[in-house]
Amino acid sequence: EVQLLQSGGGLVQPGGSLRLSCAASGFTLSSYAMTWVRQAPGKGLEWVSVIGSDGGSIHYADSVKGRFIISRDTSKNTLYLQMNSLRAEDTALYYCAKYHPYNSPSRIFDYWGQGTLVTVSS
Amino acid sequence: DIQMTQSPSSVSASVGDRVTITCRASQGISSSLAWYQQKPGKAPKLLIYSASSLQSGVPSRFSGSASGTDFTLTINALQPEDFATYFCQQANSFPLTFGGGTKVDIK
Repeated sequence: EVQLLQSGGGLVQPGGSLRLSCAASGFTLSSYAMTWVRQAPGKGLEWVSVIGSDGGSIHYADSVKGRFIISRDTSKNTLYLQMNSLRAEDTALYYCAKYHPYNSPSRIFDYWGQGTLVTVSS
Repeated sequence: DIQMTQSPSSVSASVGDRVTITCRASQGISSSLAWYQQKPGKAPKLLIYSASSLQSGVPSRFSGSASGTDFTLTINALQPEDFATYFCQQANSFPLTFGGGTKVDIK
């Protein structure tokens, strides 16, 4: 059974850093592209970043480019999002998600983590 | 960036009704579109991919269609568990973008 278990959220001051983790089970991370999507409180979904199945093919939303870094550890089957220079507008529930295998690349997400809340506030 | 304009933003319906939700892409995206359902406090759930393909395990009352840059999600015979918010997402190019969402609530 595919599962994505997230951790690492919390309260951080503006300008601070935080690292989110997404531990995958039931599949091998190196076989699928993975993504991060966020949702501000009461708002819609915003795509954040993607890392290809090869560990390359990395893309970021303009809103986080230069501040966030997506990475993975295949030995731990875990995806990460390092968030630096955090701003109030980064406050959101962050989800990791796996690419659907129907096409390569599909850029569509068939399994999602439970979400982890990041609050940026002084 | 490709903008996804979703309508309506909310709809009130009764059990058994047919509900139609539309997304319009600001430029051509072929069939690279997905529909998700999200319930309060839960992660989104994939319903439809490639504009009209039903995700495994999703009831057949959900269907998707496309006409040019217009995409439609139809829910036939609405069930109590279908009251939720629905989002479209274009998968054609980065940055990936979502529609603003449609909340389906009980009339």
